[in-house]
Amino acid sequence: EAQVTQNPRYLITVTGKKLTVTCSQNMNHEYMSWYRQDPGLGLRQIYYSMNVEVTDKGDVPEGYKVSRKEKRNFPLILESPSPNQTSLYFCASSFSGRGQPQHFGDGTRLSIL
Amino acid sequence: AQTVTQSQPEMSVQEAETVTLSCTYDTSESDYYLFWYKQPPSRQMILVIRQEAYKQQNATENRFSVNFQKAAKSFSLKISDSQLGDAAMYFCAYRDDKIIFGKGTRLHILP
Repeated sequence: EAQVTQNPRYLITVTGKKLTVTCSQNMNHEYMSWYRQDPGLGLRQIYYSMNVEVTDKGDVPEGYKVSRKEKRNFPLILESPSPNQTSLYFCASSFSGRGQPQHFGDGTRLSIL
Repeated sequence: AQTVTQSQPEMSVQEAETVTLSCTYDTSESDYYLFWYKQPPSRQMILVIRQEAYKQQNATENRFSVNFQKAAKSFSLKISDSQLGDAAMYFCAYRDDKIIFGKGTRLHILP
């Protein structure tokens, strides 16, 4: 089944404890992206990657890191999480053309105390 | 910088009626695409419809259609014959290399 898989689905952690949210897709997509969704703010792009070893900042990259060593994986790293990073996070992927719709994972609910 | 604005945080429509959700955007790019996504309470993100900016013809998918006015940078979504299953948050999105979403419109369907 074609899908984008995020793990974990839920995480409660404490300020300053490094964490990684994994994202994997099995559709051979070139483009991958991370978003955060907050009430009243919609989805905001954190980072995107147009292909392996190519990453670019979205609108809200501060406090996040990403890497794209393999085509299928695009982990999101929070080196020193803070409470303002409590949010619902989505990973998405697509083929590289601008007209390609995003395929989304099921989301990760992250709470940082 | 590109922006996407959805001016209606919430809307309600009677079942079987027609409703239009508004979206405006701003960009200096010429090569871009526009999308509407639906997010039901399950929080899945589901593609509703896509519009190529270079095409004058408005996209249609069954009961969903768009009114794309490129000069006005407007991209509204019309839902005909509204059904209870249409109740969701709807997001307008702009794509060039980056992807920008609006803040969303929550649509309620009244039985």
